[in-house]
Amino acid sequence: EAGVAQSPRYKIIEKRQSVAFWCNPISGHATLYWYQQILGQGPKLLIQFQNNGVVDDSQLPKDRFSAERLKGVDSTLKIQPAKLEDSAVYLCASSLGVATNEKLFFGSGTQLSVL
Amino acid sequence: AQTVTQSQPEMSVQEAETVTLSCTYDTSENNYYLFWYKQPPSRQMILVIRQEAYKQQNATENRFSVNFQKAAKSFSLKISDSQLGDTAMYFCAFMGASGTYKYIFGTGTRLKVLA
Repeated sequence: EAGVAQSPRYKIIEKRQSVAFWCNPISGHATLYWYQQILGQGPKLLIQFQNNGVVDDSQLPKDRFSAERLKGVDSTLKIQPAKLEDSAVYLCASSLGVATNEKLFFGSGTQLSVL
Repeated sequence: AQTVTQSQPEMSVQEAETVTLSCTYDTSENNYYLFWYKQPPSRQMILVIRQEAYKQQNATENRFSVNFQKAAKSFSLKISDSQLGDTAMYFCAFMGASGTYKYIFGTGTRLKVLA
């Protein structure tokens, strides 16, 4: 079974530039999450999709971050313009989304460095 | 709002010894689920163990077990016969049973197993 795919694995940009991350969840998984993990901290939920609808985006900085999940499958997360404090690992995770005791399947993340 | 707290930023244990990682949480919900995830240097998070709040029996998975104290809102992870491969970040996570499948993570404990 293929896992959650993320790309790129690393990205270095200068502040005020834009960047996009891509995630392809496990086939059939209805729920998709984007987390931001700053060095030394736990993952912070940015946005959660159920199929192609947004369930929670309360912690997404909407003035600079956007995300979409077209057709309820893969998803992109964009930052425009980037700030120094956006340097972090961006993790994508998915689950079947049919029971609340489900485990999440994570990708390997994209490490973003903003200079 | 739910919160998850891990008060031990770093711990170390000798190989073959036992170690316990602490986690406390706060919620007003009566039904919920708790998880421990492991994040090795590869960054890919892996589920270690999960516990349903309505179950009084503590979950076990091979060398991993939990001590779930619902009244105290405590959920510690015990690793027995520690192995070098257990070296990783460990995150405690909470999911309410309201049906939104929203996961909240703690700040993590870095565990180092010493040879």
